[in-house]
Amino acid sequence: NAGVTQTPKFQVLKTGQSMTLQCAQDMNHEYMSWYRQDPGMGLRLIHYSVGAGITDQGEVPNGYNVSRSTTEDFPLRLLSAAPSQTSVYFCASRPTGAGGSYEQYFGPGTRLTVT
Amino acid sequence: GEDVEQSLFLSVREGDSSVINCTYTDSSSTYLYWYKQEPGAGLQLLTYIFSNMDMKQDQRLTVLLNKKDKHLSLRIADTQTGDSAIYFCAVFSGGGADGLTFGKGTHLIIQP
Repeated sequence: NAGVTQTPKFQVLKTGQSMTLQCAQDMNHEYMSWYRQDPGMGLRLIHYSVGAGITDQGEVPNGYNVSRSTTEDFPLRLLSAAPSQTSVYFCASRPTGAGGSYEQYFGPGTRLTVT
Repeated sequence: GEDVEQSLFLSVREGDSSVINCTYTDSSSTYLYWYKQEPGAGLQLLTYIFSNMDMKQDQRLTVLLNKKDKHLSLRIADTQTGDSAIYFCAVFSGGGADGLTFGKGTHLIIQP
């Protein structure tokens, strides 16, 4: 299993540009989520999904869109990039079935710089 | 909602034991996790403990849970330079948007 994969690893955008960060998992996990990590702020939840066709907002959703058309993929779209969105973005997945330990698996991250 | 607190930095000498502490607020928390993040990498699950346990040991790692005080600790025995990383405490309570709340992370600095 590849686990959770993210592309690209690095990206530089100009203010106002849009782009999509890709995330895929091959563990058949129902739950997927996107976090951003900023110095001194820890991990903050952007959006999450409990299954195909179902998404919801996390702590810091503004400026980001998500969709979940398949179990495997959970892309994050930046609609109009702003310097405040310069961050490291992590995708994660975990099973939601009862009886599990809810272990969350993380991708390697995408480092985004907005100039 | 749940709040998870950790010290930001811990400095230890190589070969000593490291103890990283975490406090949380939701007494209904069921699973408590420790993640390790090395520079430039994602978060790697180190270990976890279920709320009905007091202690869990896994090689050099010992997790202690004090439910009464809502205090979780991670002890790393014989700390090595490869243990230098950020350690995140995370708590699953099943509620809220995500059910999972992370602390801000503790930077473990190893002195030679």
